[in-house]
Amino acid sequence: SAVISQKPSRDICQRGTSLTIQCQVDSQVTMMFWYRQQPGQSLTLIATANQGSEATYESGFVIDKFPISRPNLTFSTLTVSNMSPEDSSIYLCSAQVGYEQYFGPGTRLTVT
Amino acid sequence: QQPVQSPQAVILREGEDAVINCSSSKALYSVHWYRQKHGEAPVFLMILLKGGEQKGHEKISASFNEKKQQSSLYLTASQLSYSGTYFCGTVPSNAGGTSYGKLTFGQGTILTVHP
Repeated sequence: SAVISQKPSRDICQRGTSLTIQCQVDSQVTMMFWYRQQPGQSLTLIATANQGSEATYESGFVIDKFPISRPNLTFSTLTVSNMSPEDSSIYLCSAQVGYEQYFGPGTRLTVT
Repeated sequence: QQPVQSPQAVILREGEDAVINCSSSKALYSVHWYRQKHGEAPVFLMILLKGGEQKGHEKISASFNEKKQQSSLYLTASQLSYSGTYFCGTVPSNAGGTSYGKLTFGQGTILTVHP
């Protein structure tokens, strides 16, 4: 298994600003992922972040809006850029261990 | 395409059983089950790989019918702690390499267990 922490746990941001979310895993993992979850809704995959390569984005998500870094095997960041109220959501990172995937507690973002 | 879960919600009393289903229109490589409580991270329950295996963990077990692209999660003798939203996440059978972790989640099933 893996234990994952995220910072910040929540934030309130103004329209037009950017927020960087940090994700730390307690062990080295090759594959990390970023998801978005609207309150009361399902999880939607934003992108895959593999160490040593560019992040790959799912349909509807672009690098300019959600740049991702993966500097080593235990850490990743997701930036939500030029935020609008539509970006208000919970952002979760996850790490794959074998075939299993473990999630961080999420970052609750509110854009005003 | 998002897998479809049924039912959307279940209300039980302690000790009762429940079944949650997950159906996909695509051939699947794996099905993952998670439970999420309000304001918390999804918690991994189990994974089923293609091959029709059944897995169990204490009073929670699951099956995977590869031919029907369906999985079912069985909760027996439910406890108050079982309350939460259950999600299935699927990986298509044509996934390869780094795509094994790309989960597509169902819409969730809200399970409420009353004393």
